[in-house]
Amino acid sequence: GAGVSQTPSNKVTEKGKYVELRCDPISGHTALYWYRQSLGQGPEFLIYFQGTGAADDSGLPNDRFFAVRPEGSVSTLKIQRTERGDSAVYLCASSLSLAGGGDTQYFGPGTRLTVL
Amino acid sequence: AQSVTQPDIHITVSEGASLELRCNYSYGATPYLFWYVQSPGQGLQLLLKYFSGDTLVQGIKGFEAEFKRSQSSFNLRKPSVHWSDAAEYFCATSGNTGKLIFGQGTTLQVKP
Repeated sequence: GAGVSQTPSNKVTEKGKYVELRCDPISGHTALYWYRQSLGQGPEFLIYFQGTGAADDSGLPNDRFFAVRPEGSVSTLKIQRTERGDSAVYLCASSLSLAGGGDTQYFGPGTRLTVL
Repeated sequence: AQSVTQPDIHITVSEGASLELRCNYSYGATPYLFWYVQSPGQGLQLLLKYFSGDTLVQGIKGFEAEFKRSQSSFNLRKPSVHWSDAAEYFCATSGNTGKLIFGQGTTLQVKP
């Protein structure tokens, strides 16, 4: 079956612009996660959703970052007033459920964001 | 707070040689532990995971890992490395919240 997909695969924008990154999880997966991976680093947690609600947004770096999942499936990560430091690969993952914390997360290929 | 340390940033092994990648975790209770592999242009792929029970875990692609509570370690091993194993390897942990906390990663280079 189809895995997690993310669009666009690459996004180049100018400092100060607004961007939206999209994630399509595996069908039937109720939990969805966003991570950010800077060059040479491991992924860092940003936010996760259980269904439509954000269960934990403690990893969002500041109020320029926002994510939604209005129908409990597709999610959009929104970044306002982008800064050069936002340049990274943004990864999305989904899993069947959040229960217990040990669920396998399946990752998408990521969106590489470059802020000029 | 939970954390994961991968002491080796870069490792080079010869094809056919054995491999061990180190991972140390910090967590009060028994953690959930994972090893992921990331190849260039590919997404993160789960190799194996540990929740409880048998401390030696078998994964895909011939990999295994051993959970050692006394050493707070979860090292990844493979008896004979193939050139296609060259990639970035990440150890990760999660508590009951589900979010993964990753180490910095170890880059594996395989010499012919």
